[in-house]
Amino acid sequence: DTAVSQTPKYLVTQMGNDKSIKCEQNLGHDTMYWYKQDSKKFLKIMFSYNNKELIINETVPNRFSPKSPDKAHLNLHINSLELGDSAVYFCASSPHDRGSYNSPLHFGNGTRLTVT
Amino acid sequence: DAKTTQPPSMDCAEGRAANLPCNHSTISGNEYVYWYRQIHSQGPQYIIHGLKNNETNEMASLIITEDRKSSTLILPHATLRDTAVYYCIVRASRAGGTSYGKLTFGQGTILTVHP
Repeated sequence: DTAVSQTPKYLVTQMGNDKSIKCEQNLGHDTMYWYKQDSKKFLKIMFSYNNKELIINETVPNRFSPKSPDKAHLNLHINSLELGDSAVYFCASSPHDRGSYNSPLHFGNGTRLTVT
Repeated sequence: DAKTTQPPSMDCAEGRAANLPCNHSTISGNEYVYWYRQIHSQGPQYIIHGLKNNETNEMASLIITEDRKSSTLILPHATLRDTAVYYCIVRASRAGGTSYGKLTFGQGTILTVHP
């Protein structure tokens, strides 16, 4: 009964490859996010989607393309992987409260991406 | 969103209360104080949030000073499983659509609970 699940948990790949990370939430939330945690442990938002519509794109290179087939899924596709893309990627979701932004985010357990 | 300052690390004995401070001296009137924690190899977990009044839930209590420039997260009876990085975040309650869901994480406080 995992609320926010990501696959795979670990991903090791070579530079130049294209890879995808999948995320699914069963909480009925309208909004989903991708966050990146770098080697210094800082967590930063990359994207957010509300009902399949992109809301936030935090100056992420266009090699990163989120895809939301429905509001329960937000996948992250990365083209031409670079060494600097190595990080832990977290998916999250929250309900969308109109006019208010108090809803906590629920995070998955992350995908550790290693680019060699 | 306002910046927060937290001590880099704290220790606590198992069974005792853990009091984690946070300074947010530039907080504005519509900004809430949120606490999340991240246990090793897991995603961040929401703990509690508040605006002005003190808050309590099954996990913790949040004490916000009257001037709202600082707050304290209290874990009343810390256990070994509470060892984690604790993040204090201030977040606007109403913001432009481009800020929705944007949590600005700092370095947090590494809380170590020892037997």
